[in-house]
Amino acid sequence: KAGVTQTPRYLIKTRGQQVTLSCSPISGHRSVSWYQQTPGQGLQFLFEYFSETQRNKGNFPGRFSGRQFSNSRSEMNVSTLELGDSALYLCASSLPSNTIYFGEGSWLTVV
Amino acid sequence: KQEVTQIPAALSVPEGENLVLNCSFTDSAIYNLQWFRQDPGKGLTSLLLIQSSQREQTSGRLNASLDKSSGRSTLYIAASQPGDSATYLCAVRDIIQGAQKLVFGQGTRLTINP
Repeated sequence: KAGVTQTPRYLIKTRGQQVTLSCSPISGHRSVSWYQQTPGQGLQFLFEYFSETQRNKGNFPGRFSGRQFSNSRSEMNVSTLELGDSALYLCASSLPSNTIYFGEGSWLTVV
Repeated sequence: KQEVTQIPAALSVPEGENLVLNCSFTDSAIYNLQWFRQDPGKGLTSLLLIQSSQREQTSGRLNASLDKSSGRSTLYIAASQPGDSATYLCAVRDIIQGAQKLVFGQGTRLTINP
């Protein structure tokens, strides 16, 4: 059974650009959530989607957005990139109330 | 607001030792607690999930305990091996059933010396 798959794994963007990251959850999982990991702040919750609806949102500016498709795949978008957005972005999926599984992450560097 | 603390931040021990990693949280109204490991440059690997009604969970050489009333969890690693070297993270999950929001500690960076 395939795990959580994230693409791309690595990317470099310039300040002011936007970026879209993709996540394919484990088959059958309808909950998908996103986290940002930085050396200074650790792991912080961005948002969660369930059945194409955003169910929870973390304390991030509106430049961070996401969506979920009918096949449970999810994308997150960051617009007007800032240097401080450089981070590892992790996607996770689970069945309700069950173990949460993470992907390998997308490394974003903003220059 | 839930806060999760892990002590120590880093730990270095010789191979073969048994060790305990600590995790504390400020709000006891949690749904469950999960322990993860993270290898450098990698994502998170789930180790153990403890539901709020449980006291402990075991998987191989790992044993995790939960004392919800005191806001504490421990991860016990028996007979440590160099391959156990990684950062260990604990995370608590909201009381809302099905909600996937996790609040993480800062992690314990573990080094097992051969």
